[in-house]
Amino acid sequence: GQQLNQSPQSMFIQEGEDVSMNCTSSSIFNTWLWYKQDPGEGPVLLIALYKAGELTSNGRLTAQFGTTRKDSFLNISASIPSDVGIYFCAGQPSTSGTYKYIFGTGTRLKVLA
Amino acid sequence: DAGVIQSPRHEVTEMGQEVTLRCKPISGHDYLFWYRQTMMRGLELLIYFNNNVPIDDSGMPEDRFSAKMPNASFSTLKIQPSEPRDSAVYFCASSLFRETDTQYFGPGTRLTVL
Repeated sequence: GQQLNQSPQSMFIQEGEDVSMNCTSSSIFNTWLWYKQDPGEGPVLLIALYKAGELTSNGRLTAQFGTTRKDSFLNISASIPSDVGIYFCAGQPSTSGTYKYIFGTGTRLKVLA
Repeated sequence: DAGVIQSPRHEVTEMGQEVTLRCKPISGHDYLFWYRQTMMRGLELLIYFNNNVPIDDSGMPEDRFSAKMPNASFSTLKIQPSEPRDSAVYFCASSLFRETDTQYFGPGTRLTVL
């Protein structure tokens, strides 16, 4: 089946540093979503993207819908300890039915104070 | 609002036993999704309902899995008989018709099949 390649798989950064992660697909997507999951909890939606080239911010988070529609990027500026968690991308393939999303394998972020 | 409620939070059972996971969506939401999360396969959509009707169950792994939504405030995911490879975290999520991109996830049920 379709897969989303998310990288990096994990990263350790110092508090205050900026973070970048990305998600790529072999097929075209209509929608990209970015989620954060804390331990023992379900994913929480951070940002939703609907158009190629779209750049959307949510506080210190900025995400972009790649122009090829096959990738997306998430940046976190000036990281803080509470940014720790697993970040997932999710995409809706152009060939799939509505409301069906494929999730990436996640980027595990650890912030060192 | 209380958010999506799932029970139990943890379930440990032996191979061959029947397992039932429960979900109460956010009041007023008309879409309900069941997902499974494992280290190997990540988060996978199993089935989703619209207005209590199953719309797509193509993600259900096999006949041992079944899901029902008898009313707008309750859904179950049943595994019978359970197998060790079913061990995973199972999430329920709900959303509004016009905001299906914004799915609200429950805290999940961690299932361990011995």
